[in-house]
Amino acid sequence: SYELTQPPSVSVSLGQMARITCSGEALPKKYAYWYQQKPGQFPVLVIYKDSERPSGIPERFSGSSSGTIVTLTISGVQAEDEADYYCLSADSSGTYGVFGGGTKLTVL
Amino acid sequence: QVQLVESGGGLVKPGGSLRLSCAASGFTFSDYYMSWIRQAPGKGLEWVSYISSSGSTIYYADSVKGRFTISRDNAKNSLYLQMNSLRAEDTAVYYCARSLAAALCELDYWGQGTLVTVSS
Repeated sequence: SYELTQPPSVSVSLGQMARITCSGEALPKKYAYWYQQKPGQFPVLVIYKDSERPSGIPERFSGSSSGTIVTLTISGVQAEDEADYYCLSADSSGTYGVFGGGTKLTVL
Repeated sequence: QVQLVESGGGLVKPGGSLRLSCAASGFTFSDYYMSWIRQAPGKGLEWVSYISSSGSTIYYADSVKGRFTISRDNAKNSLYLQMNSLRAEDTAVYYCARSLAAALCELDYWGQGTLVTVSS
């Protein structure tokens, strides 16, 4: 079955840049989506179609894609950005979606 | 405004059954694919099942295939998940979420979730 791989944790100092990666074989052909989940809350879509930002999501959130790796970048990290982040993408046939294992972002 | 409200969670014994519901409002329910995603305590997200806008296309994760049944009633703006032969590993918060057919993974609205606990 298809898998997406994320680092379990990323730490960044307040105001610095955070990068969270997600790797998967089908990512060159399938869009990636990024979700933010804070403790006790439901996930929120922060990036869609690799690099698009939904309305209401701060401009410091951006996404990029290069081959089998997609990256969520948070520029000028704020304390409220501390959360778990999940990538999501479809398998090569587009039949089903798979979540990455999630990355816990810690703001120091 | 778009709202998704899950209900039906609770405590059930192993081998038991439970039916989850998701009431939708604020959008044209019949235009959207609907999904159930779950999250075990302290764990990541797992896509359990989805159903197309008409109900003609359905997907199940291998972990629930043959035990769970997804359905929808477009007249009632409601999504359901019938869960049978429940196991301890099915313990999780279950979320419903919507997406469009052209972007299955673009889950733009989620419910607040309902907790299912499978324990003797």
